[in-house]
Amino acid sequence: KQEVTQIPAALSVPEGENLVLNCSFTDSAIYNLQWFRQDPGKGLTSLLLIQSSQREQTSGRLNASLDKSSGRSTLYIAASQPGDSATYLCAANTGNQFYFGTGTSLTVIP
Amino acid sequence: KAGVTQTPRYLIKTRGQQVTLSCSPISGHRSVSWYQQTPGQGLQFLFEYFSETQRNKGNFPGRFSGRQFSNSRSEMNVSTLELGDSALYLCASSRGQETQYFGPGTRLLVL
Repeated sequence: KQEVTQIPAALSVPEGENLVLNCSFTDSAIYNLQWFRQDPGKGLTSLLLIQSSQREQTSGRLNASLDKSSGRSTLYIAASQPGDSATYLCAANTGNQFYFGTGTSLTVIP
Repeated sequence: KAGVTQTPRYLIKTRGQQVTLSCSPISGHRSVSWYQQTPGQGLQFLFEYFSETQRNKGNFPGRFSGRQFSNSRSEMNVSTLELGDSALYLCASSRGQETQYFGPGTRLLVL
């Protein structure tokens, strides 16, 4: 069974810092990996999707990388802003279902 | 393009009752997946429907069931509610195995 782990569970940084969120998965046979953000009490917003054949994807200040062989993905956020404060979740798609990590709760301090 | 909608947004039920939640996917999306989110267990996959057929199923008891209609709208039913069923229920739609788009969720409280 696929298991997805996210480290750290919580992170607090001053505004303007660059930061990295980590996601690891136990089974490298994934179809794709997706990063989401979730604001308190809300649904999930898709940030980036990386296909298994890709190494990274970029959208604005966000860059996600994927290393299937080591079972790792990272989400890099450049020049963090208070509006980036949210919980970030990664999900590994095995083709049958998405397996979610427990998330990293990010607080960006003005 | 309208996003994924879920109704109702909030629901309070008592133990033993049953509940039906509804999800309308983004137009053109044929896949609808359902998830349960709780503070202790995180996001857990319930099931996925594609073109009116259940394509994948998570590890939940038979009290949790679903269906999909010809217009891709989906419903999820939970029978004989238990206190532990209190959660945020999220649905997500996609064209297939691509990016999933989530609705705002239905928050269910079982008393």
